[in-house]
Amino acid sequence: SAVISQKPSRDICQRGTSLTIQCQVDSQVTMMFWYRQQPGQSLTLIATANQGSEATYESGFVIDKFPISRPNLTFSTLTVSNMSPEDSSIYLCSVEIPGGSYEQYFGPGTRLTVT
Amino acid sequence: SQELEQSPQSLIVQEGKNLTINCTSSKTLYGLYWYKQKYGEGLIFLMMLQKGGEEKSHEKITAKLDEKKQQSSLHITASQPSHAGIYLCGAALKTSYDKVIFGPGTSLSVIP
Repeated sequence: SAVISQKPSRDICQRGTSLTIQCQVDSQVTMMFWYRQQPGQSLTLIATANQGSEATYESGFVIDKFPISRPNLTFSTLTVSNMSPEDSSIYLCSVEIPGGSYEQYFGPGTRLTVT
Repeated sequence: SQELEQSPQSLIVQEGKNLTINCTSSKTLYGLYWYKQKYGEGLIFLMMLQKGGEEKSHEKITAKLDEKKQQSSLHITASQPSHAGIYLCGAALKTSYDKVIFGPGTSLSVIP
């Protein structure tokens, strides 16, 4: 398994501002993922962030709105830009454990409220 | 319609009872994940199934994958209040496992 931490755990932000969420893993992983969970909803994949390459975004998500950095094998950031109340969600990072098991583990999430 | 459906949507059971949650995909499954989520928290990995007919158990939770039906079932034996939460299935739709979609979740309450 992997121990994954996220910062901040929660935040309340004003519309029009940006927030950067950090995801730290206790071991080196190739694949990291960012998900969004809107209130009362299931998870939606935002993008896949592999070290050394540009993030791959899912349909409906764009780099200008959700820029992602992946500077090394244990860390990634997701920025939510120019926020609106519709961005209020839990944002979760996950990692795929190397070794061929394809198991994915999730961080505790960042609860974002935009006012 | 949803690519991944779960049934039932919610479940209330008496402590000690057995229960089953189903997850059905409309697309080819390459792998199936089961997670548990407590309200407002992250996801706890339960197990992952890759091959048709594969069955895994962890404590009192057993999951099975029926590749032909593109369906997985999660069975809890002798439920306890600690089993309460939202159970989410996630399906890997690519052989690279880099795209996992999630079902809507099943909310489980266990009454002491």
